[in-house]
Amino acid sequence: NAGVTQTPKFRVLKTGQSMTLLCAQDMNHEYMYWYRQDPGMGLRLIHYSVGEGTTAKGEVPDGYNVSRLKKQNFLLGLESAAPSQTSVYFCASSSLPYEQYFGPGTRLTVT
Amino acid sequence: KQEVTQIPAALSVPEGENLVLNCSFTDSAIYNLQWFRQDPGKGLTSLLLIQSSQREQTSGRLNASLDKSSGRSTLYIAASQPGDSATYLCAVQTSGSRLTFGEGTQLTVNP
Repeated sequence: NAGVTQTPKFRVLKTGQSMTLLCAQDMNHEYMYWYRQDPGMGLRLIHYSVGEGTTAKGEVPDGYNVSRLKKQNFLLGLESAAPSQTSVYFCASSSLPYEQYFGPGTRLTVT
Repeated sequence: KQEVTQIPAALSVPEGENLVLNCSFTDSAIYNLQWFRQDPGKGLTSLLLIQSSQREQTSGRLNASLDKSSGRSTLYIAASQPGDSATYLCAVQTSGSRLTFGEGTQLTVNP
């Protein structure tokens, strides 16, 4: 099992560009999450999904959109990137209420 | 709003020492508490998960305790090794599938 994988691992964007981060899990988990990690702020929940076709807002959803068209995939989109979205993005999955498994992260820089 | 605090922010110990990392949370209505390890530039690795009905969990040299009524958890590491050097994160899961993270304790174990 690969667990949770994220694509890409690194990306540099210019302000105003768009991109999609892909998260995939092969553990048949119902729940999937997107977090961002920033120095001094810890990890914060952006959006999450409790099943295929569902999404919900987390703590810091502004500027991001998500989609869960297939159970194993959770996509995070940035429509118009801003420097404030420079961060490390982590995807996670779980079968509630059990432990969350995290991907290796995507390091995004917006210039 | 749930808030999670970890003390100390950084800790440096000599190899072989036993140590305790602390985590406190403001809202005792939690489903579970999870301890993670994060190595520099890497993702999060789950170490221990304690359900709200449990008092402690053990894995090898690690022991985590939970006192829900006082909003506290500790992670005990026995006979520390240089390979234990990492950032340790505490996170609590409340309703809505959300994990709220502390900012972590950066541990350095010196040979």
